[in-house]
Amino acid sequence: SQQGEEDPQALSIQEGENATMNCSYKTSINNLQWYRQNSGRGLVHLILIRSNEREKHSGRLRVTLDTSKKSSSLLITASRAADTASYFCATPPSGGSYIPTFGRGTSLIVHP
Amino acid sequence: DAGITQSPRHKVTETGTPVTLRCHQTENHRYMYWYRQDPGHGLRLIHYSYGVKDTDKGEVSDGYSVSRSKTEDFLLTLESATSSQTSVYFCAISSSGSYNEQFFGPGTRLTVL
Repeated sequence: SQQGEEDPQALSIQEGENATMNCSYKTSINNLQWYRQNSGRGLVHLILIRSNEREKHSGRLRVTLDTSKKSSSLLITASRAADTASYFCATPPSGGSYIPTFGRGTSLIVHP
Repeated sequence: DAGITQSPRHKVTETGTPVTLRCHQTENHRYMYWYRQDPGHGLRLIHYSYGVKDTDKGEVSDGYSVSRSKTEDFLLTLESATSSQTSVYFCAISSSGSYNEQFFGPGTRLTVL
């Protein structure tokens, strides 16, 4: 079973707009990671937020983590056509297997 | 890109034939993983390795076996391929466990007819 689930499944926006996608998970985690996958390519790591952090920034990316709600959000500001990709959250469970499990992803399309 | 390659990149085979996919890394990372990616299922872990000759099963390990005789190579074998194993297979590596990012290979598209 998948630990993390992204929402929405698909998102379509115009260039310059902000894109927000969410991840919910089921069990306690050590950290939460976000990855991007361009069509036909492997996943690329974007950002990692630890369980004791609430917010983290990297360039145009802003990630929040709410462990009480078991949820995270990824915000891409001022989106570009090149941001078109699928975005996945990965959640390594704490207290056992360290292997991160991936959700089904959010497919983001940014129209120029 | 991290030094991780997969071979072959594309393969078409027939039901019942054995298939071996290779993942090769030049990063000397301890952990290696095999995932499959299917529409509607996202990425699912097949097997992983935490060192030479140390492997363990993932979520969807039935019908697959792995071997790791060297740090740099992680092989995934389908003993007798079935059409349900048609998928895109990704190898990933990481230097340690859950606090490190995974680096992914380019993927292998496998079609079982």
